[in-house]
Amino acid sequence: TQLLEQSPQFLSIQEGENLTVYCNSSSVFSSLQWYRQEPGEGPVLLVTVVTGGEVKKLKRLTFQFGDARKDSSLHITAAQPGDTGLYLCAVGDYGGSQGNLIFGKGTKLSVKP
Amino acid sequence: DAGVIQSPRHEVTEMGQEVTLRCKPISGHDYLFWYRQTMMRGLELLIYFNNNVPIDDSGMPEDRFSAKMPNASFSTLKIQPSEPRDSAVYFCASSPRTGGRNTIYFGEGSWLTVV
Repeated sequence: TQLLEQSPQFLSIQEGENLTVYCNSSSVFSSLQWYRQEPGEGPVLLVTVVTGGEVKKLKRLTFQFGDARKDSSLHITAAQPGDTGLYLCAVGDYGGSQGNLIFGKGTKLSVKP
Repeated sequence: DAGVIQSPRHEVTEMGQEVTLRCKPISGHDYLFWYRQTMMRGLELLIYFNNNVPIDDSGMPEDRFSAKMPNASFSTLKIQPSEPRDSAVYFCASSPRTGGRNTIYFGEGSWLTVV
């Protein structure tokens, strides 16, 4: 069983559309991170959310941490081809390896011009 | 500033051969991680080091895998003998401190194909 369930697994949209991807769990977390991985590259941190209900904005990307700190969403407004990539959520492995992050399997986004 | 540097970027090898992947972490980072990424399983931690000492190797699939960190600026991941199911992208990553709010900086990955 995956600790973090991400949905949808794949998403293909046209430039200019809006979209939301989700990261869900039955566990409570003190913080959650979102990474983006472009083709042929390693993941890069986008944001860390730490407070239940917190909303953070990064240009056209809006991140929200659920009130109960069990889930998170990423909304992209007016998607562009440059947004194409794999979006991964991650949490600290407090129950096991303290230094590690546990990743979801990601949502693979393709934005067509 | 240079990021995490991995080599080789791509490797194609025959089953049974030894594979050595190399990593130079970001200077000053105390933590080094080796991850493996596949379509089926996503990103999985193999092993991580703190100040050159292996802390958790429970993700290493079997005895064919070994990792070393002889000094703060170099680490290797070795597979001997390699098998086709080892084909994956192997990422090295480093971070300055522990904790779930910490940023982990990834290299560009080593794409391994075992035929």
